[in-house]
Formats: sequence, C-alpha cells, structure tokens
Amino acid sequence: DAGVIQSPRHEVTEMGQEVTLRCKPISGHDYLFWYRQTMMRGLELLIYFNNNVPIDDSGMPEDRFSAKMPNASFSTLKIQPSEPRDSAVYFCASSLSRGYSNQPQHFGDGTRLSIL
Amino acid sequence: GNSVTQMEGPVTLSEEAFLTINCTYTATGYPSLFWYVQYPGEGLQLLLKATKADDKGSNKGFEATYRKETTSFHLEKGSVQVSDSAVYFCALSKGVQGAQKLVFGQGTRLTINP
Repeated sequence: DAGVIQSPRHEVTEMGQEVTLRCKPISGHDYLFWYRQTMMRGLELLIYFNNNVPIDDSGMPEDRFSAKMPNASFSTLKIQPSEPRDSAVYFCASSLSRGYSNQPQHFGDGTRLSIL
Repeated sequence: GNSVTQMEGPVTLSEEAFLTINCTYTATGYPSLFWYVQYPGEGLQLLLKATKADDKGSNKGFEATYRKETTSFHLEKGSVQVSDSAVYFCALSKGVQGAQKLVFGQGTRLTINP
C-alpha cells in the first residue's frame, strides 16, 4: 500500500522565492495535516483539513503561508515570499477518522526546505 | 489546554540495556495516547497506542501503559538494540468525535551503542 507521498524531498531556494510543497495522502483518508519540524521549536501543527475543508489554521505562522486541498488526493503548502527562518522539515500526514479520535496519523517522509 | 511533557534527551544506552522514556500529559477527560518513532531522514511512524485507562500498548518489544491516576504513558523496552536508535515522540489526541488533532511532546533522542 502506498503511504503518504510528499514532493520534493529536498528544496533549496533563495530568499524571496515562492516555494510549493506537495502532498498526496493515503487513499480514503479524510484528514490531512501539515507540520513543521525544527530543532528549536520541535514539531508544530500548521493546518489541518477534513474532507478537503480547512478546519484549523491557527498554527500557520503568518500570511506568507497558505495551504490548499483542491481534492481528496492532493494538497499544497505554499510560502510566498520565503525567508531563511522558514528553513525546516515539513511533514504531511493523513488519517481516517471512522468517527473516532483515536486513529493514528500516517506521515510522509517530509520535505527538507532550505532558504538561503 | 492539552499538553505532553517528555523526559529530556538525549538518552544514550548500551545494547541490551533496559529503556524507560517518561511521558506525562495534561488533558481533561479521556484522551487517546500514542508513541511515535522517527528514524533518521524519515517521517514519524506509529509505534503503539492506548485508548483508555489501564490499556497497555505494545509493539516491537516496546510497551506503554495508560495510567490515568498518574497521567503518564511511559515507554519501556527490556533489551534495546542498535536499530532502536531514533527520536521518540509521545502524543495525545482528544476532541470531539472524529477530531484527529494530535498534541506532541518535544521528542526524546535515543542512541544505542553496540
């Protein structure tokens, strides 16, 4: 079974450029999450979707960050313009609710983003 | 609000040693509890979970028991291997039916020396 697929695995770009991270969740999963991981702040939830609808974006650091989920099999996280402090590993995860809150999240391998 | 506190790392042990990584939580009601593991260069993987008080989750020789009286979910393994070297995250999930938001601890880096 295919897991959560993220692309690209690595991204290096210059400050000010637009960055787009992509995620394909596990087929049939109805929740999708975007996280950011840094040494200083650990693992932070940025935003999550249920049935393609954003539910909670309170973790999105500022207006430079935006996320979309146009359909059940694809989501993007965009940073425009990017800054060096955005350098981190960004993870996408998905889960299947089945009506309960105890279902595990399945993570992709992450995108390592470096902003020069 | 809900929160998870883990024992600070890094933790370094010799192969075949006994492992404990402490985890305590703060939450109202009855959260579900999880341990995730992150190997180098990879995403987090579910290691084990427990959904109600006194449940014991287990997988790959790891165990954790949901202790409501002490609000704890400590991770244990009787004999660690070099391949267990990774970062371990304790997490809780609590919300209305179907809600999936996880609250993670800060992670504990474990290194096992041969």
